[in-house]
Amino acid sequence: GAVVSQHPSRVICKSGTSVKIECRSLDFQATTMFWYRQFPKKSLMLMATSNEGSKATYEQGVEKDKFLINHASLTLSTLTVTSAHPEDSSFYICSALRQSGTDTQYFGPGTRLTVL
Amino acid sequence: GENVEQHPSTLSVQEGDSAVIKCTYSDSASNYFPWYKQELGKRPQLIIDIRSNVGEKKDQRIAVTLNKTAKHFSLHITETQPEDSAVYFCAAGKTSYDKVIFGPGTSLSVIP
Repeated sequence: GAVVSQHPSRVICKSGTSVKIECRSLDFQATTMFWYRQFPKKSLMLMATSNEGSKATYEQGVEKDKFLINHASLTLSTLTVTSAHPEDSSFYICSALRQSGTDTQYFGPGTRLTVL
Repeated sequence: GENVEQHPSTLSVQEGDSAVIKCTYSDSASNYFPWYKQELGKRPQLIIDIRSNVGEKKDQRIAVTLNKTAKHFSLHITETQPEDSAVYFCAAGKTSYDKVIFGPGTSLSVIP
């Protein structure tokens, strides 16, 4: 099957610090990955599309300087929350697009970020 | 941009009954409509998808229908089982290799 991992699974940080979250496709290459926020009992809100070797495409209302995305290889995308504040506390979940006949997004397990 | 609405937000059915979840989308350029199931504490998983060149698709107890003119699509689960209990998300996008926008989700409870 197609496996996507995220690290860390949960992180607690102080306000003003930066946090990096990694998303890896373990058994397939992904030129495209997506980053979402999911609030409790809510839907998946698309933050940005991460493209290997090029700049990420951000959704309207998402600050690109605050949520830095780097997709440096075909199996790794990172999301860095810079100068984190309590309102950034959320569940961040990534997906990787596997293109092999049928295009399917495979999701990571998510990262719970708590900013104190 | 695309906006996806989903109804109902919660749904309870008796085991063995059918469940129907309906979605509407706003962007007429959307041609790809996946459905995801998210069990409690787990990641979303694709259960079925449909493209605009077909009106219906079935996979065992799950079926999806699409009315592109009305911008409606629906998920039908027959002979529901307790393990079908989860949150179901519909989504819409231009193609299967583009971004998709998710609906708000439907929490389905199947009562044994």
